[in-house]
Amino acid sequence: GQNIDQPTEMTATEGAIVQINCTYQTSGFNGLFWYQQHAGEAPTFLSYNVLDGLEEKGRFSSFLSRSKGYSYLLLKELQMKDSASYLCAVSNDYKLSFGAGTTVTVRA
Amino acid sequence: DVKVTQSSRYLVKRTGEKVFLECVQDMDHENMFWYRQDPGLGLRLIYFSYDVKMKEKGDIPEGYSVSREKKERFSLILESASTNQTSMYLCASTTPGQGHEQYFGPGTRLTVT
Repeated sequence: GQNIDQPTEMTATEGAIVQINCTYQTSGFNGLFWYQQHAGEAPTFLSYNVLDGLEEKGRFSSFLSRSKGYSYLLLKELQMKDSASYLCAVSNDYKLSFGAGTTVTVRA
Repeated sequence: DVKVTQSSRYLVKRTGEKVFLECVQDMDHENMFWYRQDPGLGLRLIYFSYDVKMKEKGDIPEGYSVSREKKERFSLILESASTNQTSMYLCASTTPGQGHEQYFGPGTRLTVT
């Protein structure tokens, strides 16, 4: 079975940093994705990790520890437009298994 | 620019009706997926297809079927809609292989009354 956990909600101030944690227990693992989904819109790809360590992409970074079944998405220099849901997804063969998503609200 | 389109953004159907949700992608992707998204549950995989006329059950296939007659088109069918199928339905596509992101359509919000 698949078990993927992430916090339901987080709130932060514009310009701050927020870290969204994701823990997983899955029957297979081919990598971990993070997606962003604004309200009423389709999820869009943010990052992919398959090896342990940190991947940095502009204001967003993603970290993976396969031995701990743990990942995080780090959002730096938060902007109002970063208010969205962030979805953690584990890849196994063709398929993705998603966590329930973390809604991030950025306050002015 | 990859584009995944879905036939309707909003749909209202009655209990017992047969419902067709269409998805088309323009990037020649082999793999296509249907998910439903419900608050607190995230995206759950209903069915997927890795080639024309091929289909595989996902995690929650009960009450649904699919059709893939052409590579670019993947249809989700609710044989007899029920109120517990009220949800947001998202289609996605990707190329096979590790690390390829899935591209999502805008979603269809289906309400069954």
